[in-house]
Amino acid sequence: QQQVKQSPQSLIVQKGGISIINCAYENTAFDYFPWYQQFPGKGPALLIAIRPDVSEKKEGRFTISFNKSAKQFSLHIMDSQPGDSATYFCAASNYGQNFVFGPGTRLSVLP
Amino acid sequence: SQTIHQWPATLVQPVGSPLSLECTVEGTSNPNLYWYRQAAGRGLQLLFYSVGIGQISSEVPQNLSASRPQDRQFILSSKKLLLSDSGFYLCAAGTDRFGQYFGPGTRLTVT
Repeated sequence: QQQVKQSPQSLIVQKGGISIINCAYENTAFDYFPWYQQFPGKGPALLIAIRPDVSEKKEGRFTISFNKSAKQFSLHIMDSQPGDSATYFCAASNYGQNFVFGPGTRLSVLP
Repeated sequence: SQTIHQWPATLVQPVGSPLSLECTVEGTSNPNLYWYRQAAGRGLQLLFYSVGIGQISSEVPQNLSASRPQDRQFILSSKKLLLSDSGFYLCAAGTDRFGQYFGPGTRLTVT
């Protein structure tokens, strides 16, 4: 029940395309859903986050879509750029504790 | 905004030697603190978390221990390193209503 599933494991997208990464959770007590971006040799950086009282949040080219009834959320990267090539982790937590991370998606954006 | 410092950045240690990794946090008080380990190309494994000075919870039985001697200081230790302790160690800090923020990490190689 604490697990967060993430797919796909890896993703290759052409420059200018849309990258979509999906996550699913079981624990309905989760109330905070962040996405992290990690470049090789660096710590993960908080990219964007959403709470379950909204269905979508957009920040620049990054959008989180949230489906509370299906217990799923996804990250959309519009106009993907080679600089977006990184590993992306979804996560879920309740009240800022008990953070559970997905296994990660390695995104490669081809020039 | 909070800043997380970790040192050293890289470390090469022989099997059987002791370990001490330090993490300090600036810009917030009474944060939740976390230690994660990340194997190459893999996800984040939570090792320890702390909600206050002297309060440590262990997620995975292992050769490591953690201590929190001050509010914004978190230390990861081992008395005798094993080859399997090699990895990328990440410290993270967070507050009750916000996401975790990660430090730059320490790359540990046990030879």
